[in-house]
Amino acid sequence: DSGVTQTPKHLITATGQRVTLRCSPRSGDLSVYWYQQSLDQGLQFLIHYYNGEERAKGNILERFSAQQFPDLHSELNLSSLELGDSALYFCASSARTGAYEQYFGPGTRLTVT
Amino acid sequence: GQNIDQPTEMTATEGAIVQINCTYQTSGFNGLFWYQQHAGEAPTFLSYNVLDGLEEKGRFSSFLSRSKGYSYLLLKELQMKDSASYLCAVRMRGNEKLTFGTGTRLTIIP
Repeated sequence: DSGVTQTPKHLITATGQRVTLRCSPRSGDLSVYWYQQSLDQGLQFLIHYYNGEERAKGNILERFSAQQFPDLHSELNLSSLELGDSALYFCASSARTGAYEQYFGPGTRLTVT
Repeated sequence: GQNIDQPTEMTATEGAIVQINCTYQTSGFNGLFWYQQHAGEAPTFLSYNVLDGLEEKGRFSSFLSRSKGYSYLLLKELQMKDSASYLCAVRMRGNEKLTFGTGTRLTIIP
């Protein structure tokens, strides 16, 4: 158990819908990262927040957005869902910027039908 | 940009040793990570190298050569539970994000 929690574990929804994935980092960690993992793409970095502020963006679609709240939990919002958005979405946290290790949560498996 | 290459699949025998290679091309290198990921589960941290040389941690060791853009993960005394994907990831200077390779799926056979 990494100490990072993600909800829900599984999510099945239809095309065109909007979902919110939630992540709580390890106690004391200020950084939260979101990754997408699909079968044909491997693990892809989406976005990084540090203490409530956006720090880096990867190949995140405009239909996707995220935020980190004052209590340091983070949410990833996915809208106008398409079949290709079906994937595992992981959240990871680390203690400070430049820290060696990112600890991954168990992931949310999103299925778009 | 970054380009990370690692073999797609490898097979090794229980009790043996296996070496998983990773080559990368990046500007502003600031560390290389190895993660283990069992199917459908979260990646778990194995090792971190930022300087040249070998880092040993139990049955696992990781090596880095920055001049060659090359790393390997060495697994000794292989156990069936080592069957998993092994992900190589690179971090750039001034950016905390990790860029992952597509992973090497390792199968251990009796």
